[in-house]
Amino acid sequence: DADVTQTPRNRITKTGKRIMLECSQTKGHDRMYWYRQDPGLGLRLIYYSFDVKDINKGEISDGYSVSRQAQAKFSLSLESAIPNQTALYFCATSALGGGINTGELFFGEGSRLTVL
Amino acid sequence: AQSVSQHNHHVILSEAASLELGCNYSYGGTVNLFWYVQYPGQHLQLLLKYFSGDPLVKGIKGFEAEFIKSKFSFNLRKPSVQWSDTAEYFCAVNAATNAGKSTFGDGTTLTVKP
Repeated sequence: DADVTQTPRNRITKTGKRIMLECSQTKGHDRMYWYRQDPGLGLRLIYYSFDVKDINKGEISDGYSVSRQAQAKFSLSLESAIPNQTALYFCATSALGGGINTGELFFGEGSRLTVL
Repeated sequence: AQSVSQHNHHVILSEAASLELGCNYSYGGTVNLFWYVQYPGQHLQLLLKYFSGDPLVKGIKGFEAEFIKSKFSFNLRKPSVQWSDTAEYFCAVNAATNAGKSTFGDGTTLTVKP
């Protein structure tokens, strides 16, 4: 089983619909992230959370919201989806703890969202 | 804020050719540096990382990268590529004082012809 699990893996929706992408992890990491991948643009950070009570905006947070329901769960919502939110979305985790913290990321398998 | 520049967007090589993918970053402080690989249809996974010590780091599958601080570079190399190395490669950086936020380059797509 994957350590970082995303659902759904694929979703097609219409403009204006509300969409939630869910992420759960069994790695025991405190930090969780949502990234968006677009061809030729690499990965861009949408939101991140360093613990359950901590939520931070990334570089492209407009049009998105998140919820950290538990240490292991971090969901991304599009309140009113629009076509330019069509992309591949990745959830990632990283460890926080004793020793050297390099910020190495562990990724889920991605959620491909198409907004018509 | 940090930024990352990858010089090549698409590289095409024949098997057994040598590979070097360029990565430069912009940040004035101490950094952690990464190369991630994304095989077709798969998620990103770590190829190698540098955070301190020997600037020449070795990763999985015969890849290595050299951190040259004076050039703000972290180029990825492999002496002899295989068809199975066909993938997209991402360079990433975070500030060592705030290792929680990584910034990614735009990615380089490598196609290896058999």
